[in-house]
Amino acid sequence: DTGVSQNPRHKITKRGQNVTFRCDPISEHNRLYWYRQTLGQGPEFLTYFQNEAQLEKSRLLSDRFSAERPKGSFSTLEIQRTEQGDSAMYLCASSLDEGGYTFGSGTRLTVV
Amino acid sequence: DAKTTQPNSMESNEEEPVHLPCNHSTISGTDYIHWYRQLPSQGPEYVIHGLTSNVNNRMASLAIAEDRKSSTLILHRATLRDAAVYYCILRSYNFNKFYFGSGTKLNVKP
Repeated sequence: DTGVSQNPRHKITKRGQNVTFRCDPISEHNRLYWYRQTLGQGPEFLTYFQNEAQLEKSRLLSDRFSAERPKGSFSTLEIQRTEQGDSAMYLCASSLDEGGYTFGSGTRLTVV
Repeated sequence: DAKTTQPNSMESNEEEPVHLPCNHSTISGTDYIHWYRQLPSQGPEYVIHGLTSNVNNRMASLAIAEDRKSSTLILHRATLRDAAVYYCILRSYNFNKFYFGSGTKLNVKP
């Protein structure tokens, strides 16, 4: 297993377009998390899945954001009608129950 | 979420020990103290964690105050590869998210 994989690594999009990011967690990990990180700040929690169930969503996750984890494996994070304020690094992490997190390298989104 | 306070930045010389402090005065009895670090252009990576006793692993040591209101991450011999942002995080027993804060940016001079 090569760890948590995120694709793409970089995405540049025009304001108003929709974007989708993918996260492949460590295969035996049942929990998956999405975080967002802006320049100079620590990561901020967005949402959390246990298997396929989305159990918690942050207030940061506006109605333009949607996350899915079909079949409890990979996850996607979609942002609709992107805004410049959405420019950030989007990080995915996974864990086995309350075990330690393993993070991916992130997807850097730039909205122009 | 219980919060932590860390210095914004610290500097160290290569091959010298580094002590990174963290204050967590509102820690509860079931909160674990976790440290993660983030290298440039990477996601955070686990460093060490503890509850009450001091902990050692191949990467670092964690010294926890007796009242648990503060802790110190110790890198015994800093290398240039240790230059990163270090986050001190409290994790509750039934957690499902981390609160990272802004961390301490460690600069290691050759």
